[in-house]
Amino acid sequence: AQSVAQPEDQVNVAEGNPLTVKCTYSVSGNPYLFWYVQYPNRGLQFLLKYITGDNLVKGSYGFEAEFNKSQTSFHLKKPSALVSDSALYFCAVRDPYGNNRLAFGKGNQVVVIP
Amino acid sequence: ETGVTQTPRHLVMGMTNKKSLKCEQHLGHNAMYWYKQSAKKPLELMFVYSLEERVENNSVPSRFSPECPNSSHLFLHLHTLQPEDSALYLCASSQEGEAGGLHEQFFGPGTRLTVL
Repeated sequence: AQSVAQPEDQVNVAEGNPLTVKCTYSVSGNPYLFWYVQYPNRGLQFLLKYITGDNLVKGSYGFEAEFNKSQTSFHLKKPSALVSDSALYFCAVRDPYGNNRLAFGKGNQVVVIP
Repeated sequence: ETGVTQTPRHLVMGMTNKKSLKCEQHLGHNAMYWYKQSAKKPLELMFVYSLEERVENNSVPSRFSPECPNSSHLFLHLHTLQPEDSALYLCASSQEGEAGGLHEQFFGPGTRLTVL
């Protein structure tokens, strides 16, 4: 079954610095990959997805992610972090040739320090 | 707003109570989901409905009973819950097609459930 790993519990970054949230995945075939963000007392909001095509995917709020098949990674990045980016970030993967269900990681808490 | 609403937003219940969570999607999607979110754990998929038919039940205890009367509404009926069932319960919807998996899921704000 498909799975994702988000190795860090919390990512601390100073405002204005680059932000990276790491994600690695495991699927039997080609993956569909997603990033979601969750603000306090809210549901998950979709940020971006990789289905096929260009490995660099651009999404909402200035975020982007790069699909790296050889490293089975899909790290989320933002060139300059804002305090308002402080939230919980989830990586997710679907295996369209498997059970086609979305498997989430445990999430990373991002804290942007003013 | 994502187009998925959930009520109530907060619920406190005793172990002997019966309550229901409600989800409504205004996006015209054909699939709906219940997830359980506990601290420091990945989201747990509980139930999936596609075209109003339950297509997945991930070994969820029978004290949780889903109902999908139409493609826009999803309920989660709760009875004789345990304290460890306290969590955030999230509803989501998506548009599923023949290709499957292309489309993201849209989530509601969740119901924060506390079982005393």
